Amino acid sequence: DQQVKQNSPSLSVQEGRISILNCDYTNSMFDYFLWYKKYPAEGPTFLISISSIKDKNEDGRFTVFLNKSAKHLSLHIVPSQPGDSAVYFCAASAGDNNDMRFGAGTRLTVKP
Amino acid sequence: KAGVTQTPRYLIKTRGQQVTLSCSPISGHRSVSWYQQTPGQGLQFLFEYFSETQRNKGNFPGRFSGRQFSNSRSEMNVSTLELGDSALYLCASSQSNTGELFFGEGSRLTVL
Repeated sequence: DQQVKQNSPSLSVQEGRISILNCDYTNSMFDYFLWYKKYPAEGPTFLISISSIKDKNEDGRFTVFLNKSAKHLSLHIVPSQPGDSAVYFCAASAGDNNDMRFGAGTRLTVKP
Repeated sequence: KAGVTQTPRYLIKTRGQQVTLSCSPISGHRSVSWYQQTPGQGLQFLFEYFSETQRNKGNFPGRFSGRQFSNSRSEMNVSTLELGDSALYLCASSQSNTGELFFGEGSRLTVL
């Protein structure tokens, strides 16, 4: 049961432009959302998170937007850099719980 | 402090065999989660342990099991291996219930 969906398996953008990665979820009980970045041969690393009480969280070049009514969140990277090239996973959890569900990932390629 | 350590990093088994994977969490982290990563499926949640108790379980057959020791180290076991069990198995530890997960580099299992 894919409760978290990333419908774009890949995304390619030019260096300096904006990268927008999208994520949809089906479980309305999810109240905490995270993005992870994964390089080859490494485990995923935490990037940014957002609680359901907010609709935006910003950290440097990374901003996550949450639209609860649409059950949709997105990660914006501005400006995109070649070092941002990685697989990005969207994750969500419900309540006081470490049962975190991940999407299938989106491979971002930033071209110089 | 040391990150999450998983052993072995790579292993090859044949169908019908069983395998045990080990995970040492970050010192002080009491929650350990296991995920299976396969191409196109993203990270699939296997189970989560906290203080030696399994708190959450994903939708995997009973061939997949785990345990956690008093020092928070965790093992997962897969019995009667099938070709489809070939994947990267990731362990993650967490300090809090809804905090970020810290992932190890994974154990890549190939079933022939």
